[in-house]
Amino acid sequence: DAGVIQSPRHEVTEMGQEVTLRCKPISGHNSLFWYRQTMMRGLELLIYFNNNVPIDDSGMPEDRFSAKMPNASFSTLKIQPSEPRDSAVYFCASKTGTPLSTDTQYFGPGTRLTVL
Amino acid sequence: KQEVTQIPAALSVPEGENLVLNCSFTDSAIYNLQWFRQDPGKGLTSLLLIQSSQREQTSGRLNASLDKSSGRSTLYIAASQPGDSATYLCAVETSGSARQLTFGSGTQLTVLP
Repeated sequence: DAGVIQSPRHEVTEMGQEVTLRCKPISGHNSLFWYRQTMMRGLELLIYFNNNVPIDDSGMPEDRFSAKMPNASFSTLKIQPSEPRDSAVYFCASKTGTPLSTDTQYFGPGTRLTVL
Repeated sequence: KQEVTQIPAALSVPEGENLVLNCSFTDSAIYNLQWFRQDPGKGLTSLLLIQSSQREQTSGRLNASLDKSSGRSTLYIAASQPGDSATYLCAVETSGSARQLTFGSGTQLTVLP
């Protein structure tokens, strides 16, 4: 298996632009998580899905952030409009079972976002 | 709110040394604790998962212990190698309506050849 796939790996954009990050979970995994990692705040959970349904989006920082999972093999995290403070590494992770099951999460390589 | 702290933030040791990384958490109502490894520019790789009912887990040269009542875990690395150089993150999965991982800020380990 190729593991969790994220694209792009690096994104540089200007303030105010729309940014879309993409994630393909491991085949057969039905829970998907989006995280953000910064030096100041460490690794934070933004939102997670189970069977393509958003379960908890309380970690999404603002209305500028939105996430979708139209099918079991694809998810997007969109920031519109982007701001310099959104600069971070965004990780996608997936696992089998439900968010309540004890299985380890498998992380993608991350997307490094820089907003100028 | 669960808070996870890792000490030290950075550690540098010569090759061959045994070392201990520390993790503490504020809320003992956890389902499990996990140790991850993160290499520069890469995602996280799960190393060990300790269920709340367990005291320790071992994998090769790694041994992780859990003392839930005191809110502490340690990751012991035996006979360290330069390839062990990475950032090690501790995460606890908390109880509630839906489980979430809360991460510590990590310990950056450098093993010198």
